[in-house]
Amino acid sequence: NAGVTQTPKFRVLKTGQSMTLLCAQDMNHEYMYWYRQDPGMGLRLIHYSVGEGTTAKGEVPDGYNVSRLKKQNFLLGLESAAPSQTSVYFCASFDPDVRNEQYFGPGTRLTVT
Amino acid sequence: QKEVEQDPGPLSVPEGAIVSLNCTYSNSAFQYFMWYRQYSRKGPELLMYTYSSGNKEDGRFTAQVDKSSKYISLFIRDSQPSDSATYLCAMKVYSGGGADGLTFGKGTHLIIQP
Repeated sequence: NAGVTQTPKFRVLKTGQSMTLLCAQDMNHEYMYWYRQDPGMGLRLIHYSVGEGTTAKGEVPDGYNVSRLKKQNFLLGLESAAPSQTSVYFCASFDPDVRNEQYFGPGTRLTVT
Repeated sequence: QKEVEQDPGPLSVPEGAIVSLNCTYSNSAFQYFMWYRQYSRKGPELLMYTYSSGNKEDGRFTAQVDKSSKYISLFIRDSQPSDSATYLCAMKVYSGGGADGLTFGKGTHLIIQP
């Protein structure tokens, strides 16, 4: 049982490049979340999903898109990366019927130059 | 004003001391209150979870929620060097579907000196 995994762990992009961050969970959780963590800002919710095929905007959705084609995967896309998107990205999953805890992945460190 | 306020520290205390970490919040609709611990370059992990007001104890850790004052605390007794980490308070509103993401404080960097 790997829990929540994220790919890649590190990435450097040039401004304007695109990339996709992959989050996978093996706990059969319905709910999945993408957060970003910046110094002095804490964790902020980007997008979330309440089940396969659904997505919704969080606090800071601009510049990001997401997809949940399979229950176990939640993808975060950056279509045209900007230096302001330099951050550490965390994925989390959650099942309120099992335990009221969001389980976090290890994070992806993204630098946009 | 941010919804959740937390002093980022760093807070440095000697081993064995009692540590008090706090958050204040402005949204009276928050009903679930959590403390996460985050070691350097790792993801947050849940430490304590409380629903509504009251106290909860788990080993050396005690979480307190005072909804009338919009104030939550985490106490660590007999602090150990392994407790050195960033502690994040988090809260959420219950909206029926349970899908709400968490609203986090900035996190307090705690250092326990051996």
